Amino acid sequence: NAGVTQTPKFQVLKTGQSMTLQCAQDMNHNSMYWYRQDPGMGLRLIYYSASEGTTDKGEVPNGYNVSRLNKREFSLRLESAAPSQTSVYFCASSETWGEQYFGPGTRLTVT
Amino acid sequence: DAKTTQPTSMDCAEGRAANLPCNHSTISGNEYVYWYRQIHSQGPQYIIHGLKNNETNEMASLIITEDRKSSTLILPHATLRDTAVYYCIVIGGSTLGRLYFGRGTQLTVWP
Repeated sequence: NAGVTQTPKFQVLKTGQSMTLQCAQDMNHNSMYWYRQDPGMGLRLIYYSASEGTTDKGEVPNGYNVSRLNKREFSLRLESAAPSQTSVYFCASSETWGEQYFGPGTRLTVT
Repeated sequence: DAKTTQPTSMDCAEGRAANLPCNHSTISGNEYVYWYRQIHSQGPQYIIHGLKNNETNEMASLIITEDRKSSTLILPHATLRDTAVYYCIVIGGSTLGRLYFGRGTQLTVWP
């Protein structure tokens, strides 16, 4: 039982490049989330998916797109990376809406 | 959603109880108090939650005042591995699992 897994662990992009962050959970949870965390700050919600086939914007959705591929997988895409998107990205999943399980994070640097 | 106020930092001797306060004076009747922690560079970890009664699990105890305007997370025998940022989050049914993390309390446990 791996819980929530994220790939890659680290990534460096040049401004304007695109990439997709992958997230998968094996707990059969309905809801999944993407957060970003900037240095010294709390987490901010980017997008979430309450159930398979649905996605909704969170607090900071600009510059991102998401896909809920199936119940297990929820990906986050940066179409044209900007230095302001340098951050640590966390994926989470939950069954009850308050008790979320987080992955280990992806550390992204955009130069 | 109700906002929360936490001290920026606290410290505690190893083996002693760590008592982390949280003020949520605008909490409404259907909102729960959740606690998470984040050990350096890792994803946040769910600790405990409650509505109005005190709660205890294998990790911690949660004491909620009778008027529900504040709460205290208690780690009964703090260890060095409890050094982390602790987040108090208030959420209700309308937020559908969208956790809003503030800056939390940095707890340092010293030997």
